[in-house]
Amino acid sequence: QKEVEQNSGPLSVPEGAIASLNCTYSDRGSQSFFWYRQYSGKSPELIMSIYSNGDKEDGRFTAQLNKASQYVSLLIRDSQPSDSATYLCAVNEPGFGNEKLTFGTGTRLTIIP
Amino acid sequence: EPEVTQTPSHQVTQMGQEVILRCVPISNHLYFYWYRQILGQKVEFLVSFYNNEISEKSEIFDDQFSVERPDGSNFTLKIRSTKLEDSAMYFCASSDDRNEKLFFGSGTQLSVL
Repeated sequence: QKEVEQNSGPLSVPEGAIASLNCTYSDRGSQSFFWYRQYSGKSPELIMSIYSNGDKEDGRFTAQLNKASQYVSLLIRDSQPSDSATYLCAVNEPGFGNEKLTFGTGTRLTIIP
Repeated sequence: EPEVTQTPSHQVTQMGQEVILRCVPISNHLYFYWYRQILGQKVEFLVSFYNNEISEKSEIFDDQFSVERPDGSNFTLKIRSTKLEDSAMYFCASSDDRNEKLFFGSGTQLSVL
């Protein structure tokens, strides 16, 4: 059984601070890792994708991947109230490209003004 | 920006009835997917579809489920005889390659009474 684990939260972060979201995965063969943002009742929206060990930055978002530790994280700098949402970690199933993703349960993030 | 569109946004049905959920993927995309999310639970893969056939399906996608691309633009999910536990948000997604990112539609909330 492929597993993607996240703390469900809620995680509360003051506006302007750094929010740190973590995810671990069970299948060492996974090659593609994604962070989606999901507002309540809405569809997942891709925030970041990462495929190689290390950091990948896009604006206020930084994804970090450590395949040896089977760990992927998302940092949100200068957190804004609009960042309040559930953040889903998703991992591909080896051998299936990105067509079969396993999602974590998500971490609910609240940015406190 | 191109988007995946889904209709209807809400569908209420009686247990045992057939439902068809409809999706229009992004026009140049070749891979199509259905995921679902039961309230409060994780997003789960159902099926992927490429070149007019199912390329992968999960254990959830049993004989009660079927998918079809009836024309050049629509992609449908049919549930033959709905059960209470089929109540969920169903998301359609598409990608232009199996190794590219998925774009999700806004979802159809299915309620089985």
